[in-house]
Amino acid sequence: AQSVTQLDSQVPVFEEAPVELRCNYSSSVSVYLFWYVQYPNQGLQLLLKYLSGSTLVKGINGFEAEFNKSQTSFHLRKPSVHISDTAEYFCAVLNTGFQKLVFGTGTRLLVSP
Amino acid sequence: DTAVSQTPKYLVTQMGNDKSIKCEQNLGHDTMYWYKQDSKKFLKIMFSYNNKELIINETVPNRFSPKSPDKAHLNLHINSLELGDSAVYFCASSQAAQGDEQFFGPGTRLTVL
Repeated sequence: AQSVTQLDSQVPVFEEAPVELRCNYSSSVSVYLFWYVQYPNQGLQLLLKYLSGSTLVKGINGFEAEFNKSQTSFHLRKPSVHISDTAEYFCAVLNTGFQKLVFGTGTRLLVSP
Repeated sequence: DTAVSQTPKYLVTQMGNDKSIKCEQNLGHDTMYWYKQDSKKFLKIMFSYNNKELIINETVPNRFSPKSPDKAHLNLHINSLELGDSAVYFCASSQAAQGDEQFFGPGTRLTVL
């Protein structure tokens, strides 16, 4: 069975500062990796995904993530955040043999002026 | 046009009642899901249907019964509601192909009094 660990439950940051949200996963088989964002009182929206190929993945809204197989990590980064990036961010892993998406516990990104 | 829609958006009910949540997707996807998000924002899959056939059934009380009348709809019926059922329930859909993005609905906030 796979699992996802998001080490930070909350990350406060000032506007225009860089940010990194950490995600580590555990799985005995190959996986696909995803980052979703949830704005207040809304559903989840896909930011980016890693299926194969280049380990650096670029997503929407200026976010990117790097897959590191040896460290089993998939950290999310943005070089300069905006107030509008304030949201809950979820890392998720999908076993390549199934459609069962397993989520981490989420990281709340708080961007202040 | 909304890709994945859910009704109702809010549902407040008494313990012991039976209620249903409806989900529809207009993306032509083959697979649909129900997730539960608890008060700590933790997301966990409950059920998944592929072409009206149940393919994932997590450890969920049998008071919860999904029904898929066609591949565009997946409804969730809950019998004998309990306080612990209070949560946000998300419907999602994806193509059957591995690694495809899951598109989420806006969620249904269920409050059991």
